[in-house]
Amino acid sequence: EAGVAQSPRYKIIEKRQSVAFWCNPISGHATLYWYQQILGQGPKLLIQFQNNGVVDDSQLPKDRFSAERLKGVDSTLKIQPAKLEDSAVYLCASSLGWLAGADTQYFGPGTRLTVL
Amino acid sequence: QQPVQSPQAVILREGEDAVINCSSSKALYSVHWYRQKHGEAPVFLMILLKGGEQKGHDKISASFNEKKQQSSLYLTASQLSYSGTYFCGTEYTGTASKLTFGTGTRLQVTL
Repeated sequence: EAGVAQSPRYKIIEKRQSVAFWCNPISGHATLYWYQQILGQGPKLLIQFQNNGVVDDSQLPKDRFSAERLKGVDSTLKIQPAKLEDSAVYLCASSLGWLAGADTQYFGPGTRLTVL
Repeated sequence: QQPVQSPQAVILREGEDAVINCSSSKALYSVHWYRQKHGEAPVFLMILLKGGEQKGHDKISASFNEKKQQSSLYLTASQLSYSGTYFCGTEYTGTASKLTFGTGTRLQVTL
């Protein structure tokens, strides 16, 4: 079974530029998550989708970050404009979604973003 | 509120045991444990559910103490492959499937 796919794996941009990340979840997984992981810290949830609806985006900096999951499958996360503090690994995860308490999240390889 | 893990770091010799704790200030519904190696994605280890039994596979097991709102991960007879950073992800009652990850415990196993 294919895992969670993400691209690109690495991205270097200058501050104030824009960037987009792509994620394709495991087939059949209804829930998709985007996390930000700063070096030395645990993953921090940015946004959670159930199919193509947003379940939680309380920690998404909406003035510069946006995300969509139009057909309930793959998803894109965009940052515009980027700041130095956005340098981090952006992880996408997916889960089946309906087994609350036993809903295992599977992570993709992540995109390492460096903002100069 | 982010769960707190202890210790922050531990160094073991191969074959030694370790315990990693994850404490929450809020009532827990479940605790998920992950291991992350440097430069890689977190890999799922196990889930502990409220009211559930202690779980384990191979020489890694975990428990869930509802009274203390705490989970502990037990690594027995550690192997070099156990090295990495361990994170607990806590799910709180009423926030189905949303995980808040802890501060992480860095484990290094040496020969």
